[in-house]
Amino acid sequence: EIVLTQSPDTLSLSPGERATLSCRASQSVSSNYLAWYQQKPGQAPRLLIYAASSRATGIPDRFSGSGSGADFTLTISRLEPEDFAVYYCQQYDSFPYTFGQGTKLEIK
Amino acid sequence: QVQLVESGGGVVQPGRSLRLSCAASGFSLSGSGMHWVRQAPGKGLEWVAVVYYDGTKKYYTDSVKGRFTISRDNSKDTLYLQMSSLRAEDTAVYYCARLIGFYAFDIWGQGTTVTVSS
Repeated sequence: EIVLTQSPDTLSLSPGERATLSCRASQSVSSNYLAWYQQKPGQAPRLLIYAASSRATGIPDRFSGSGSGADFTLTISRLEPEDFAVYYCQQYDSFPYTFGQGTKLEIK
Repeated sequence: QVQLVESGGGVVQPGRSLRLSCAASGFSLSGSGMHWVRQAPGKGLEWVAVVYYDGTKKYYTDSVKGRFTISRDNSKDTLYLQMSSLRAEDTAVYYCARLIGFYAFDIWGQGTTVTVSS
């Protein structure tokens, strides 16, 4: 099983600032089958990034994904008020698919 | 409108069974791998099970193997999760989600809540 560890657990920033979220895998994620999701309270997760660096349909270009192998990053270039939420990474390379524990992005 | 709608959640006693459904609208399920993902109260996301587009292959997370069965009826564009021998630790919001190729889980349902309690 591929274990995903996200850091930090909580990130406190202000609107307009840049956010950098990390996701580290316990082994290499083949084909970069790594996704990022945003979840707000009471809502289903929303796909932001797939295949490590491709933005999903309708996702603003302030969201970007990078990385390969076992180290991946989600960057939000300029935080908007609606970006404060919990973010999860997920590997869909091998079963069981696994999620990171989440990073809570909160307003400072 | 492309969407998935889950149903069938509720309160159930430990050891009992429950069947969840996930109906697709605005698209056909037949070309997609379909998954169940759950989220316990206040916790993160946990992948539960997958059924391939044609129903030939199914995989489960270890904690539900032998108790949960995933299935699909492509003629009805509906996904199912039959849950038996339910435990308190199965209490969660259950989401269905679509995966096509490398596009990850691009469509999610709104979730249905399962509470296992005596």
